[in-house]
Amino acid sequence: SHELTQPPSVSVSPGQTARITCSGDALAEQYAHWYQQKPGQAPVLAIYKDSERPSGISERFSGSSSGTIVTLTISGVQAEDEADYYCQSTDSSGTYRVVFGGGTKLTVL
Amino acid sequence: EVQVVESGGGLVQPGGSLRLSCAASGFTVSSNYMSWVRQAPGKGLEWVSLTYTAGSTNYADSFQGRFAISRDSSKNTLYLQMNSLRAEDTAVYYCARFRVDFVVEPPAIYSDYWGQGTLVTVSS
Repeated sequence: SHELTQPPSVSVSPGQTARITCSGDALAEQYAHWYQQKPGQAPVLAIYKDSERPSGISERFSGSSSGTIVTLTISGVQAEDEADYYCQSTDSSGTYRVVFGGGTKLTVL
Repeated sequence: EVQVVESGGGLVQPGGSLRLSCAASGFTVSSNYMSWVRQAPGKGLEWVSLTYTAGSTNYADSFQGRFAISRDSSKNTLYLQMNSLRAEDTAVYYCARFRVDFVVEPPAIYSDYWGQGTLVTVSS
């Protein structure tokens, strides 16, 4: 099976840079994607294919990949960025089985 | 405008069944990869099932044989039939459109639209 591991929480002060990691063996071969979820709302795609940003997502959001670890970086963190963030990928079996990380709660101090 | 709206959630007793619906607008369900993802109260996202454009389906191991995903092209609607429900199936169930980028290898699969979810509560 394919597992993705995220830190449960990350805390930063406003204006600082937040980095949220996601690790998993299959990430060496598969793309990762990131979703932002605010309380009571549906997830929203924030980054796709490791580092691509959908239209409408702030330029402060970026993604990177190195081996089996992908990183979501939020520059100049604002209060509105406080949310849960989930990485997502696919297992390497070729059957398109979707996998989510456990999620990271970003707290803006 | 692309939109998906889930319905059919509610209170069901353990061992019971429920069918969720996901009505789509602004795109054609049968021409897209569609999925159900659930989120138990206070927990993370959990992928349930995916249906391919060709009509084949895929499930997370936990749901194989108990849940069934299907679609009705005439109604442009996705369904999730849930049987033998347990208390641990209590969750918000989201319908999501998934994009598959075949230009890259391996293909990249991610969701670009989600519904607002429908709550399923399994309790006696």
